[in-house]
Amino acid sequence: GIQVEQSPPDLILQEGANSTLRCNFSDSVNNLQWFHQNPWGQLINLFYIPSGTKQNGRLSATTVATERYSLLYISSSQTTDSGVYFCAVGGSNYKLTFGKGTLLTVNP
Amino acid sequence: KAGVTQTPRYLIKTRGQQVTLSCSPISGHRSVSWYQQTPGQGLQFLFEYFSETQRNKGNFPGRFSGRQFSNSRSEMNVSTLELGDSALYLCASSLEEDYNEQFFGPGTRLTVL
Repeated sequence: GIQVEQSPPDLILQEGANSTLRCNFSDSVNNLQWFHQNPWGQLINLFYIPSGTKQNGRLSATTVATERYSLLYISSSQTTDSGVYFCAVGGSNYKLTFGKGTLLTVNP
Repeated sequence: KAGVTQTPRYLIKTRGQQVTLSCSPISGHRSVSWYQQTPGQGLQFLFEYFSETQRNKGNFPGRFSGRQFSNSRSEMNVSTLELGDSALYLCASSLEEDYNEQFFGPGTRLTVL
């Protein structure tokens, strides 16, 4: 099956700093999503981005499908950005395969 | 439009019991998927249903089963619970038959004692 690797596993920032999270995947995909898991466990949709670039406020994402990677950019980070960020990819088999996540800590 | 809902939110069971979890997808969504999240294994796919048909199943023992009803609501059942079944169970729904953007519910946190 598809392998998904996220880096870095942990990231500690000061409020106001920028960061880049990376997701590498091992095969062509039909679906790629970025999620933020809140403290209660719910996965919050950030981007649905099987290819191209999207922006939503301070967050943006780019997927280069031909090179099998995606990047999530967080600018001017805030303490509320803390938490685990997951990349998940899907092929033609009706399931998402998740990476292990990046634990982001933003200190005031 | 209401999001994906899951009931119950929290559940405590003892080993050997069985449990049924419920998921109501976003209105109009016909694909429902289930995932298990544990600290050791991360997020793992359980199964996916579309129009009452299971289209894919993850690598879990037969104690884990599911079904989907004609109104797209789904249930999953775990029989003969083991301590290792303690986990957060997440349900997701999507609109199209092609399995596009997934939207997740708040999860059911199951504790097996």
